[in-house]
Amino acid sequence: DTAVSQTPKYLVTQMGNDKSIKCEQNLGHDTMYWYKQDSKKFLKIMFSYNNKELIINETVPNRFSPKSPDKAHLNLHINSLELGDSAVYFCASSQDEGQYYGYTFGSGTRLTVV
Amino acid sequence: AQTVTQSQPEMSVQEAETVTLSCTYDTSESNYYLFWYKQPPSRQMILVIRQEAYKQQNATENRFSVNFQKAAKSFSLKISDSQLGDTAMYFCAFMGRKNSNSGYALNFGKGTSLLVTP
Repeated sequence: DTAVSQTPKYLVTQMGNDKSIKCEQNLGHDTMYWYKQDSKKFLKIMFSYNNKELIINETVPNRFSPKSPDKAHLNLHINSLELGDSAVYFCASSQDEGQYYGYTFGSGTRLTVV
Repeated sequence: AQTVTQSQPEMSVQEAETVTLSCTYDTSESNYYLFWYKQPPSRQMILVIRQEAYKQQNATENRFSVNFQKAAKSFSLKISDSQLGDTAMYFCAFMGRKNSNSGYALNFGKGTSLLVTP
């Protein structure tokens, strides 16, 4: 009964390919996020959606495009993958903007671009 | 912009001992929220404890407690009676926003890797 589930957990792909990571939450939360954790473990926000509306769009290459078909889902599509995209990508969700209870994270997707 | 600084990249503590992880932050906001997250080798991000800035009382959760010093902008985590399962990366995080037009987001420090030894 996973609260925030991401698929796939591991993804190995070649440079130049296009890939998607899916995220679903069953907590009834209003807001969902994508974070990138680099090789030094630093976590940085990429996007957030509140009720399907984009509210945070950090400075990421436009090869990254989030899509939220409904408030329980937030997918991340990456075009023309580059070596530097290799990282762990975390999906998270929160009630409202998470001030009171923080975020619930998925287990992460380790993306390796070769 | 808010920044979160964790000055101890690595720490080690023996089982049953107490350890304190430091965190400082910078903000011009008067009300905000602070969090500590734990990331064990399994990679899962787990909320450890949270603190609301307008509350004077330090938060506690079982063996975990914080020392929140608002004037000094300091938010340290104390782990009492350390257990082997506490071995993990610990991240301090500040809930804030870039500007009044931006949404709120968790801004993380670079983390402290804690090793609990037998």
